[in-house]
Amino acid sequence: IAGITQAPTSQILAAGRRMTLRCTQDMRHNAMYWYRQDLGLGLRLIHYSNTAGTTGKGEVPDGYSVSRANTDDFPLTLASAVPSQTSVYFCASSDSADGGGGYGYTFGSGTRLTVV
Amino acid sequence: GQNIDQPTEMTATEGAIVQINCTYQTSGFNGLFWYQQHAGEAPTFLSYNVLDGLEEKGRFSSFLSRSKGYSYLLLKELQMKDSASYLCAVMDSNYQLIWGAGTKLIIKP
Repeated sequence: IAGITQAPTSQILAAGRRMTLRCTQDMRHNAMYWYRQDLGLGLRLIHYSNTAGTTGKGEVPDGYSVSRANTDDFPLTLASAVPSQTSVYFCASSDSADGGGGYGYTFGSGTRLTVV
Repeated sequence: GQNIDQPTEMTATEGAIVQINCTYQTSGFNGLFWYQQHAGEAPTFLSYNVLDGLEEKGRFSSFLSRSKGYSYLLLKELQMKDSASYLCAVMDSNYQLIWGAGTKLIIKP
């Protein structure tokens, strides 16, 4: 593993089903983030974690939950998927909550989710 | 509300120079970032400005004016591989990144 690994790469999901998107980083970054990216809109923050054991809500948290049991893993769960959750989901990390002192965020390669 | 504005799309010619503008209105300011995103890929970090002025990194430069709420990304000696979306993001007073929708840059031979 180098950087951030997301799984699955893509998924078609029936509405109402539960789904967990996985995110693992090997950089020992303290802060991790989940974003969704939709055409014509900027990246929107779903949930974040500034350090292991803590999580917070972003701009669009409804219908999603996260956990941060350790430094490396930050899974995102859709409890009961709806079509409006069709999107590309990116996991990101940074050394610290202030963006890593100007080094920015490192992003995973994304999960393309279609809810039908 | 918080807002980041950048042009939706720009076209430029291989070998030329292009300037992508970004204006912002945010609750506080803790730095401005530029990212590059090729189609179907993840965003990758390009530059960071926290003080006014120009930061140069090879063919790419980024400028910031905090008093005007304005930044630009300057790309010189354009190459076909520079065809991508360029995302402007501002870190607000809560250290949350606010993202623009991105500028799709099309490079023509």
